[in-house]
Amino acid sequence: GAVVSQHPSRVICKSGTSVKIECRSLDFQATTMFWYRQFPKQSLMLMATSNEGSKATYEQGVEKDKFLINHASLTLSTLTVTSAHPEDSSFYICSASFQGNEKLFFGSGTQLSVL
Amino acid sequence: LAKTTQPISMDSYEGQEVNITCSHNNIATNDYITWYQQFPSQGPRFIIQGYKTKVTNEVASLFIPADRKSSTLSLPRVSLSDTAVYYCLVGDARRGGADGLTFGKGTHLIIQP
Repeated sequence: GAVVSQHPSRVICKSGTSVKIECRSLDFQATTMFWYRQFPKQSLMLMATSNEGSKATYEQGVEKDKFLINHASLTLSTLTVTSAHPEDSSFYICSASFQGNEKLFFGSGTQLSVL
Repeated sequence: LAKTTQPISMDSYEGQEVNITCSHNNIATNDYITWYQQFPSQGPRFIIQGYKTKVTNEVASLFIPADRKSSTLSLPRVSLSDTAVYYCLVGDARRGGADGLTFGKGTHLIIQP
């Protein structure tokens, strides 16, 4: 089956610093990658959709200058949380899909804690 | 938007069959129905996907009536390890955006010994 690798699994950082999260499709070319965030005991909220080589499309209410998404290749997308603050603490999850497949393949998630 | 409605929580016991129903009254012609399972602090895991009638794989069955306005995930002989949140999604991942990838609140299934 298709595998999506997400790193790091957990990160703790100081307020004001930036954090980069990587999402890689290991055995397929991901035409589209998606980034979600999830607060405790809540559902996943879609943040943005990215296609390789083009700018990400952000959902309403998500600040594109704060959550920088780079989808430089068909196997790698990165999410950078810039100038992180405690309210950015959350579980971030990436997923990917590829042409001709309606399923989503999810990474294992990254727990971000901003002190 | 093809929104979904599921029960917030369900309880059952080991060895029982569990059926979780999802309502999706506004499903579009090209939409698929997909169910995911999520354990705490993990990404969702694909369980099963269907378009109409019945689909069965090694872990579950998916029943979809002719009008496709609802679907039922059936888990045969559940075990304690099936305790998780189950999400029903309707749409086409290739379209992207909230239209095809909106997660509802999910159903928290609790299996007891």
